[in-house]
Order: sequence, then structure tokens, then C-alpha cells
Amino acid sequence: EVQLVQSGAEVKKPGESLKISCKGSGYSFTSYWIGWVRQMPGKGLEWMGIIYPGDSDTRYSPSFQGQVTISADKSISTAYLQWSSLKASDTAMYYCARHNGDYSDYMDVWGKGTTVTVSS
Amino acid sequence: DIQMTQSPSTLSASVGDRVTITCRASQSISSWLAWYQQKPGKAPKLLIYKASSLESGVPSRFSGSGSGTEFTLTISSLQPDDFATYYCQQYNSYTWTFGQGTKVEIK
Repeated sequence: EVQLVQSGAEVKKPGESLKISCKGSGYSFTSYWIGWVRQMPGKGLEWMGIIYPGDSDTRYSPSFQGQVTISADKSISTAYLQWSSLKASDTAMYYCARHNGDYSDYMDVWGKGTTVTVSS
Repeated sequence: DIQMTQSPSTLSASVGDRVTITCRASQSISSWLAWYQQKPGKAPKLLIYKASSLESGVPSRFSGSGSGTEFTLTISSLQPDDFATYYCQQYNSYTWTFGQGTKVEIK
């Protein structure tokens, strides 16, 4: 079964760092781009960025460039999303998703999401 | 950046109704459009890709059409399991953008 398993919920204070994970299984992890999507409470979906685990080529949405870092460790089929200094406005659900299609144009497999709460 | 605008934002409908949701792109995206369904507390689920291709396992009452800048998602006969929020998503030159969502509610 193709699946993406995300790390558990996090509660952090403003200014703290955080790294959440997304482990792929059931397919060739290095052959598909993995993207990250934010969903703030009660809001819509926002595409953040994408990484190709095969060579770690990474692209960011202009809205998230410089705010987060996306990385991957292909040896353990895991992608990461990290923050160096969290803000209250980072409170959200974060999903990872496998990109598929001729241009990796759609997301066909999703993780269940990681809830991040940032509060003093 | 390409902007995606969905209409309506909210739609009230009854079981058995035919439902149409529209998504407009701020510039042409050919057929690089996907549709997702999201239920509360759950991850989005892919319904349609490349504007009109039905994802495996998705009921045939869902269909997509359009190209260029205007796209539609149609549910031919709304079922109780279909009450959810629907998002369109575009791809263009290494950028991916979602529409703001359309919530389908019980009338």
C-alpha cells in the first residue's frame, strides 16, 4: 500500500525550532516529488513547497520562501519541513503529499497531517 | 503568480441534486487542473486530475471539464457522502496553487 506517514502533533513556544517528518512507503520514494501544504484553522489549502528526494531539488512558494526549509533523507524515505523560529501564525495543520502526473501536477497520496500549535 | 478563484464559496443542495462548481485561473493553465474533496478533520482526497481524468476509485458521478482558464467540477447526483469542501488546484511552471474552496452543505 502506498502511504505517507507523518509525525505526531507538536506544541511549541514562539521562537522555538521544529522539524516535522513525512515517511513514504509502498513506492519508489526517490522517483516522486513530495510537497507540503498548510491549512490554517478554518481556512483553505496553501501549497508551500516541494522536494525531489532523488536529488533534493527543492522549490518554494514565494509566500513561504525563507520562512521554512524543506529537506529529505532518501536513505530512510523521509521528507521534512522545518522552522528555525516559530511564530504564533505558524499554528496550522501541515500535510505532505506525493506529486504525480506528467509534470508532477497533482497530488495523489496524502499524509494524515501534523498539527502544529505555537503558543506562549 | 496564477490566482485560482472558485465559485460559489458555499453551495446548499439536496441529495440527488446536480451540482456544479466553477474554478477560474488568472491566466491559461492548459489542462493542468486537479480537484480535491476534503471532509472535516481529514486530509484532502484527489478526485480529478488533468481537468477531466477521474482518479481510480472515485465514483463516476464526479466529472471535470474545461481548459485554459475556466474549469468545472460536476457531481451528477449528490450523495450524502459528498457533503464536503472542494478545492481546485493548478500547476504552471513549478508553481502549484489552490482555489479558496467551495463548501457543499445540506439544504
